[in-house]
Order: sequence, then structure tokens, then C-alpha cells
Amino acid sequence: AQKVTQAQTEISVVEKEDVTLDCVYETRDTTYYLFWYKQPPSGELVFLIRRNSFDEQNEISGRYSWNFQKSTSSFNFTITASQVVDSAVYFCALSFSETSGSRLTFGEGTQLTVNP
Amino acid sequence: ETGVTQSPTHLIKTRGQQVTLRCSSQSGHNTVSWYQQALGQGPQFIFQYYREEENGRGNFPPRFSGLQFPNYSSELNVNALELDDSALYLCASSGRSSARRVINEQFFGPGTRLTVL
Repeated sequence: AQKVTQAQTEISVVEKEDVTLDCVYETRDTTYYLFWYKQPPSGELVFLIRRNSFDEQNEISGRYSWNFQKSTSSFNFTITASQVVDSAVYFCALSFSETSGSRLTFGEGTQLTVNP
Repeated sequence: ETGVTQSPTHLIKTRGQQVTLRCSSQSGHNTVSWYQQALGQGPQFIFQYYREEENGRGNFPPRFSGLQFPNYSSELNVNALELDDSALYLCASSGRSSARRVINEQFFGPGTRLTVL
């Protein structure tokens, strides 16, 4: 069975602070994919990044960075110099290879509030 | 490039009624997935359609059914609505070159907010 755990339900920071959102996953598959999505108050899920299980290289995209560690089954997301517009719910998700198609297993999400 | 669209935006139904939600996939995408997101929770996978056939299903009862049309748009039908069906229903589209798994990022629509009274 697959499972994604986002232990932080809510995080509140002041603008310009760095913030890390934690994600721990469980899967028996050797090939799998990890995702982060952002959900602003409008409700639409916005794709941020996809990582496959064979690529443990960390990635940086502007103020966003991701740390993937298979040894600890974690895929953490860091926002550097946070801004008010970063306020949203962030979801970590897991997908695995199967012949019947891909499905995303989501964590419960972390509500990030960035205060001015 | 047109993104994923869903209709209606909001819907109010009473218990026992039936509802149909619609989704138009992103241009070039042939796979549509549906998710249910209860308030304060992460989305839960309902099912996926590829080339007009169901291609994977989550833990939802048969009263949740769907269709995919030749233009890859899709419908989600829910019969005998229950109060717990109140949720945001999200549609996501992705590309796939064959029936075997091709893990591409799924692009989500804005969702339909269903309220069951």
C-alpha cells in the first residue's frame, strides 16, 4: 500500500523567512514518482515538481528547492525568502508504475500562511 | 493551449438525487482522472479514463461512475447522493502514449464544489 504523510498541518511564517514543508512516503514499489502541488484558495491544484525514484538529485527552481532522500523516504520542499503569495495548501503526492494507469496518492496537505 | 476546465463551478443537491459533473481535458491530453477532496483533506483518487475506458479505480462504490468521450472530455456521475459526497471534485488530465503506464504530471482543473443537503 502507498501512503504519504505530511506531519505539519499548519505553518505560519513572516515574509522573507525560509520555510520547509516535510513529506514522508511509504511504498513497496521500486519505481515510483513524487510530486508537489500547490492549492491556493481558488481550489485549483497547481503542479510544482515531479521526481522519479531513480533521481535523487536535489532541484532548485527560483525560490523553491526540493530535497529527495530515499534512505529516509522523504521528499521535502523548501521555500526561500517566503512571500505572501506563497500562502496556500501544499500537497505532496506519490504515484507508482502500474499497467492499469497512474493514480496520485496525496498527503493531507500543509496549510502555509505567510504574514506580511 | 487551453487548460483543464470543469463545469459547473458549484452545485447544490439533496440526498438521494443524482449529479453529473463535466471535465474538458487539456489540449493534447488523452487521459482523465477524477479525485474527490473533502474539506481539510487531500484529494482521493476515484477513477481514471484512457481512450474511453476505465483504466484504474480507487475505493469508491459503484454509484460513482464515469464516461470519457472521443474528444477525451469526461463526465463523473454520482447516483443516490449521500451527505458525505459533499466535496470538491477535481478533474486532472495527462498525456499517455499507450495503455501502459506513462507517468506524466497531471494537470488539474478548478474543480466543482458539490454540496449535498
